[in-house]
Amino acid sequence: DAKTTQPPSMDCAEGRAANLPCNHSTISGNEYVYWYRQIHSQGPQYIIHGLKNNETNEMASLIITEDRKSSTLILPHATLRDTAVYYCIVRVEGTGNQFYFGTGTSLTVIP
Amino acid sequence: DTGVSQDPRHKITKRGQNVTFRCDPISEHNRLYWYRQTLGQGPEFLTYFQNEAQLEKSRLLSDRFSAERPKGSFSTLEIQRTEQGDSAMYLCASSRWTENTGELFFGEGSRLTVL
Repeated sequence: DAKTTQPPSMDCAEGRAANLPCNHSTISGNEYVYWYRQIHSQGPQYIIHGLKNNETNEMASLIITEDRKSSTLILPHATLRDTAVYYCIVRVEGTGNQFYFGTGTSLTVIP
Repeated sequence: DTGVSQDPRHKITKRGQNVTFRCDPISEHNRLYWYRQTLGQGPEFLTYFQNEAQLEKSRLLSDRFSAERPKGSFSTLEIQRTEQGDSAMYLCASSRWTENTGELFFGEGSRLTVL
């Protein structure tokens, strides 16, 4: 079951940075934070993941607080194509390895 | 990389009929997952395979649902005696599991409408 809390919706102006928060106050030491997004009528798409260090790739940056109880996904220059539902997932390590999605944050990028 | 493919993309059926969905994962991926997604909700885990072994089934997977991955490649998800509550998008995902990563690659989904 989902162990994260995200705001249900956010808006962002095109070209500006989109900062999507996620709370995961019960995260344990071996659990990673993953971010996926789902554009309407498509399957979810992997964005980024991290354990405790900040991470950056060509799509986004992931900032994890020192106590690991929350994180922020940053889309540095949001475009209209970034309009999607963004899911923050805490993934259990080990044999299970399931990804439990919550309801996510619906991000709307406004022209 | 042809990605994860699912078939059919859309299925409309009458209550009580059986339906089967097929998923072809990315060829070198040893893990395959099935999820269900209803309108306004995130994907819900149903079951997953490592190679041909079905390692876990969610309590959401009732007796009317059965999934197979006979040769560790493609998988099928069958729903028997469909009910209107089965209407949803059925998503398949695959991954090449390693200890620290294993992100999922999803297909486009199979949308089921039960009348």
